[in-house]
Amino acid sequence: AQTVTQSQPEMSVQEAETVTLSCTYDTSENNYYLFWYKQPPSRQMILVIRQEAYKQQNATENRFSVNFQKAAKSFSLKISDSQLGDTAMYFCAFMKGRDDKIIFGKGTRLHILP
Amino acid sequence: DGGITQSPKYLFRKEGQNVTLSCEQNLNHDAMYWYRQDPGQGLRLIYYSQIVNDFQKGDIAEGYSVSREKKESFPLTVTSAQKNPTAFYLCASSISRKVGEQYFGPGTRLTVT
Repeated sequence: AQTVTQSQPEMSVQEAETVTLSCTYDTSENNYYLFWYKQPPSRQMILVIRQEAYKQQNATENRFSVNFQKAAKSFSLKISDSQLGDTAMYFCAFMKGRDDKIIFGKGTRLHILP
Repeated sequence: DGGITQSPKYLFRKEGQNVTLSCEQNLNHDAMYWYRQDPGQGLRLIYYSQIVNDFQKGDIAEGYSVSREKKESFPLTVTSAQKNPTAFYLCASSISRKVGEQYFGPGTRLTVT
């Protein structure tokens, strides 16, 4: 069975700093997708970034980028120039192939301090 | 505006009563999902539906039931058989061509006393 582990339950950084959230996963699959979802205090989940396992290039969305290490089964999220609006719970997630089921990690609560 | 609506935002019920949570989407998405979120647990899949009149159990389906009579609607019933129903419930939908990109509703907080 696939598992997703986020080892940092909570983190705090100063505004404008760069922060990296860790995620590891366990799978025997070769074809899969990885995601980072953000859940702000409003509790509305939003997709931040997506990575296809077959792509070697790390995905980037504006200030958000990932470090995808397939052999190590690691998928960290880097937030550059952090902003107060980045304060949220961040969930790492995994999906096998074109299976519609997504497996979520337990989340990292990120606080951006003014 | 297109999106997913869940109502109500807060719901209170007495133990032993069934309760139905609403989820509606106007995104023309084929697939819809129900998740349960508990503190420190992340999101756990209750049920999902890839097409009208068809649905599958997720990881924690016991004590829950769903229907998918219309593409836009995927209501979740929390039955009296669910032992710990108090939780935050999230509904989501997705379009098959955007693999894994699920759009979430604002959620319903259910409290059973």
